[in-house]
Amino acid sequence: RKEVEQDPGPFNVPEGATVAFNCTYSNSASQSFFWYRQDCRKEPKLLMSVYSSGNEDGRFTAQLNRASQYISLLIRDSKLSDSATYLCVVSDYKLSFGAGTTVTVRA
Amino acid sequence: GAGVSQSPSNKVTEKGKDVELRCDPISGHTALYWYRQSLGQGLEFLIYFQGNSAPDKSGLPSDRFSAERTGGSVSTLTIQRTQQEDSAVYLCASSPGTGNQPQHFGDGTRLSIL
Repeated sequence: RKEVEQDPGPFNVPEGATVAFNCTYSNSASQSFFWYRQDCRKEPKLLMSVYSSGNEDGRFTAQLNRASQYISLLIRDSKLSDSATYLCVVSDYKLSFGAGTTVTVRA
Repeated sequence: GAGVSQSPSNKVTEKGKDVELRCDPISGHTALYWYRQSLGQGLEFLIYFQGNSAPDKSGLPSDRFSAERTGGSVSTLTIQRTQQEDSAVYLCASSPGTGNQPQHFGDGTRLSIL
C-alpha cells in the first residue's frame, strides 16, 4: 500500500468553480502535512501547510482529519492559473508524496 | 540566487556510464534531501542528510546509487553503471531543520540514459 494515496483526477472545471479533492495517508505517526503544487515539467512548490484545525490561504482551504487519516484541499473561485498537479505530502522526518491530483481550469 | 541550485539541468548519457549530480542548498539549511520523479510518477525519496548525522539512505534503490554532502552544504548524487530505468528527474530539496518543516526544491536534473 502506498504511504499517500490521491485521486489522480483529472478534475476539469470552469473558471470560477469550486473544486475539492483529498488524499489519505497510512502512517498514523505522521507529524506534518502539506500541499505542494507542481506545474508541468517544473519542480514542486509549497502551496500551503495543513494544520489540525484547518486553515485558509486566500482561495485555498486545507483540512486535516487525523482520525480518518485524510487531508483535503478546496479551491474556490478557480482561476486558469490554478491548473496544475497538486501533491499531497505527509512528513515524519522525510516527505512522502502522493502521485498528485491534476486540475485543469478552463475558460 | 537564494534558492536551491542543481546542476546540470539536463544530462544525457549512455547506459553503463557513471553520472554525478550536484545540489547547492539554500544557505543555512541544515537538511538536504534527494528525490527522483520518473515520467508520470510521484516523487520517490532517495536520501536525507541532516547536519553532521549519518545520512538516511533508506530510499536508495540499489548500491549503484550513493550520495555525499561535503562541509554540510553541497551534495553530490552519484549513479554508477547507469541503466535505462535510472532515467528520471532528480530533485534536491533543503529545509532549515527537520523534515517537519516544508522543503524547498531545486529545478531538478533531467537525466536520460540512452
